[in-house]
Amino acid sequence: DIQMTQSPSVLSASVGDRVTLSCKASQNINKNLDWYQQKLGEAPKLLIYFTNNLQTGIPSRFSGSGSGTDYTLTISSLQPEDVATYFCFQYNSGPTFGGGTKLELK
Amino acid sequence: QVTLKESGPGILQPSQTLSLTCTFSGFSLSTYGMGVGWIRQPSGKGLEWLANIWWDDDKYYNPSLKNRLTISKDTSNNQAFLKITNVDTADTATYYCARVNYPGPFAYWGQGTLVTVSS
Repeated sequence: DIQMTQSPSVLSASVGDRVTLSCKASQNINKNLDWYQQKLGEAPKLLIYFTNNLQTGIPSRFSGSGSGTDYTLTISSLQPEDVATYFCFQYNSGPTFGGGTKLELK
Repeated sequence: QVTLKESGPGILQPSQTLSLTCTFSGFSLSTYGMGVGWIRQPSGKGLEWLANIWWDDDKYYNPSLKNRLTISKDTSNNQAFLKITNVDTADTATYYCARVNYPGPFAYWGQGTLVTVSS
């Protein structure tokens, strides 16, 4: 099984900050990685697919990057509505989600 | 407009079989590349992928649960199904279905249905 480790588990940041969330795979996942945002009480929402492709309707302040085993979700300027838990998901083999990063406002 | 909605029993007892239905609109599971996946989430915890079914009836299961899962579809009625046998309290979770374009991602999600396993 491919293990996905997200860090940090909790992140506190201020409005306007540049925020970087990390997702590390236990083996090469060939960029087969998506990012999802889940707000409290809601279903997850797709933000980024195949590492760096912005889903339609998602603000351009969200971006993704990475390769091999290391992947990053960046929010260029944090907004209050970005408070949520963020999950990475690999589908290269035996699909698995990361444990999530909870993003809070400082 | 793509929509999905899950339905289930709400509550069931340990050792019973959980049957879930995903009723969707806005796409067809007979279209090349389309699929439906099931994902669950215990309250306050992370997401766990369970299974996918594809337009060609190919099925893909979480290896750690494979022996207990059965995914199927009814293309003519725009539904997908998931059965989990021999449930335990650890199966208590919100269950989501989602549309997936081969090989990923889950672009559209249902609202989820809460399933509680309790004696």
